[in-house]
Amino acid sequence: EVQLVESGGGLVQPGGSLRLSCAASGFTFSDSWMAWVRQAPGKGLEWVANIKKDGSEEYYADSVKGRFTISRDNVKNSLFLQMNSLRAEDTAVYHCAKDTSGALDYWGQGILVTVSS
Amino acid sequence: QAVLTQPSSLSASPGASASLTCSLRSGINVGTYKIYWYQQKSGSLPRYLLRYKSDSDKQQDSGLPSRFSASTDASANAGILLISGLQSEDEADYYCVIWHNNAWVFGGGTKLTVL
Repeated sequence: EVQLVESGGGLVQPGGSLRLSCAASGFTFSDSWMAWVRQAPGKGLEWVANIKKDGSEEYYADSVKGRFTISRDNVKNSLFLQMNSLRAEDTAVYHCAKDTSGALDYWGQGILVTVSS
Repeated sequence: QAVLTQPSSLSASPGASASLTCSLRSGINVGTYKIYWYQQKSGSLPRYLLRYKSDSDKQQDSGLPSRFSASTDASANAGILLISGLQSEDEADYYCVIWHNNAWVFGGGTKLTVL
C-alpha cells in the first residue's frame, strides 16, 4: 500500500523558514517523480514544485521560485521542501504526491503551514 | 488572463449529465496538451481521474466508473470532463491541469453540485 506521510509543518513568522518532509513507502520511490502541491484554506489546488526520479531536475511554480527548494533522498525514501522567506500567502496545507507519468496518483494527507506574526 | 479557466460552479440533477469545461488561454492550443482531471470531495484528498489529449491518447485511473469521460472542443479551445448518470457521490470540486512552460498549472476548479 502506497503511503505518503508529511511532517515539519507549523506556525512560522513572515520571513522565516520551514523544512517539510514526506516519508514514502509501498512503492519504489527512486522510480517516481514526486511533487508538492498546496491548498490554502478554502481555496483551490496549487502546484508548488516537482522533482525527477534521481533528483537531477527540479521545477517550481513562479510563486515560490527562488524561495523554496525541493529535494529527495532515495536511500531514505524521503522527499523534502525547504521553504525560506515565507509569506502570509504561503499559508496552506502542503501535500506531497507521487507522480506517475504526469498523473498525481497518490497524495499524502498534508501538513499545515501557517505564516503569521 | 489565467492559463486555465473553469466555471466556479455548476449544478445538475441526479441522473443527468454534467459537462465541466476547462478553457485554455488564447494562444495555448488545447490540441497540444494532455489535460488531467482531478476530483476533490469535501474534506478529502484530491483523486486523479483521467487524462485526455485525443481519442488515441487518453488514460483513466483504474476503478473509475465509465460514467466519467473526457474530450476537447477545439473550436472553444477547451477541455471537457463529462459525467453522465450523475450520482450524489459525484458532488465535488473538479480541477483540470496541464503541464505548461515547465510547470503544472491547475485550473481554479469547478464546484459540482448534484441536486
